[in-house]
Amino acid sequence: ETGVTQTPRHLVMGMTNKKSLKCEQHLGHNAMYWYKQSAKKPLELMFVYSLEERVENNSVPSRFSPECPNSSHLFLHLHTLQPEDSALYLCASSQGLDNEQFFGPGTRLTVL
Amino acid sequence: GQNIDQPTEMTATEGAIVQINCTYQTSGFNGLFWYQQHAGEAPTFLSYNVLDGLEEKGRFSSFLSRSKGYSYLLLKELQMKDSASYLCAVRDGDYKLSFGAGTTVTVRA
Repeated sequence: ETGVTQTPRHLVMGMTNKKSLKCEQHLGHNAMYWYKQSAKKPLELMFVYSLEERVENNSVPSRFSPECPNSSHLFLHLHTLQPEDSALYLCASSQGLDNEQFFGPGTRLTVL
Repeated sequence: GQNIDQPTEMTATEGAIVQINCTYQTSGFNGLFWYQQHAGEAPTFLSYNVLDGLEEKGRFSSFLSRSKGYSYLLLKELQMKDSASYLCAVRDGDYKLSFGAGTTVTVRA
């Protein structure tokens, strides 16, 4: 595997379900990010981890819970989501917070 | 807050040139990025400008004017594979990237 991978690529869940999105980067980077991309809207930064510590929580509802167990892995735990949370969730990584970010292919999430 | 504007859609013919403009008003500035995103795929890095002027990379060039809060991405010798969404993103004084909504470019034969 190379670059940034995300699983699953597609996820359909009910509002009462609990699920997790997984991101793995194979680039040796030390910063990881979660973004939300809704149709026709700008990418919204959700969370930033640098050296496995959260440095940004961009006013995201508590039904989204990130976890960064090590510098290569990032999770987004989901529970009691709303239909408006349906979107493409993109993970990215970078070497340091100053450098270009490399994106994964995203997880297309649909909340019924 | 951050305000980044770019046109929603542009259409051009194969072999032509297209210029995608981006204007921004941000609370700090520490560089401007352009990303390309094909439908259903990850955004991929195209260019980075932090100083005024033109950066050229093959068929793609990016220009920045910090005093005007303005950038453009120039795509030359358009190919069908250039049909994609192009995202302008500004980094603030720290590290946060704020994105525009993207410009969908359609290349016609």
